[in-house]
Amino acid sequence: DAKTTQPNSMESNEEEPVHLPCNHSTISGTDYIHWYRQLPSQGPEYVIHGLTSNVNNRMASLAIAEDRKSSTLILHRATLRDAAVYYCILIRVDSNYQLIWGAGTKLIIKP
Amino acid sequence: NAGVTQTPKFRVLKTGQSMTLLCAQDMNHEYMYWYRQDPGMGLRLIHYSVGEGTTAKGEVPDGYNVSRLKKQNFLLGLESAAPSQTSVYFCASSYFWPGDTDEQYFGPGTRLTVT
Repeated sequence: DAKTTQPNSMESNEEEPVHLPCNHSTISGTDYIHWYRQLPSQGPEYVIHGLTSNVNNRMASLAIAEDRKSSTLILHRATLRDAAVYYCILIRVDSNYQLIWGAGTKLIIKP
Repeated sequence: NAGVTQTPKFRVLKTGQSMTLLCAQDMNHEYMYWYRQDPGMGLRLIHYSVGEGTTAKGEVPDGYNVSRLKKQNFLLGLESAAPSQTSVYFCASSYFWPGDTDEQYFGPGTRLTVT
């Protein structure tokens, strides 16, 4: 089965860019890469997703390696409200439904 | 529009007791999911449903049962609770399978302690 590996925690200064890495070396061709974040005592919320190409939305950017074995979530200007646990997830879309969550990276933002 | 709601928010059970967790969504979503989250770990899928009347096993289904009698509700049952089932339980829903076209919407969670 596919799995994802993320650093336990990262620190960043407020208003600086943040790059959150995720390794998924066993990814299959039908796995989409999703990122969610979880604020303290809340349920996770969607951030961004992609398959092969880099993606941008109002919250973040997702850079996917050419071999798809790793990806990076980019927050362009981190604020204190971005302090959360960020999860990298593989979602399979063939007949074998799978949702594989990583252990997450706790992002600490320093003012 | 309440989104995804979970009942109860907290519960303490003794070993061997049974209980049912209720998840409700008002977004007319087809897919619903039950996850558990243990300290320091990501979410693990227990069971999911692709529509009313259907359920399927996820990654960690043992010790749990589910039912989806109505489209808007997804129930998670523990027939004989064990301390290993102490966890935070999250329900989620989506209109499509969350691959390319959709995202999951999560409830606020239920904190369950089994003593």
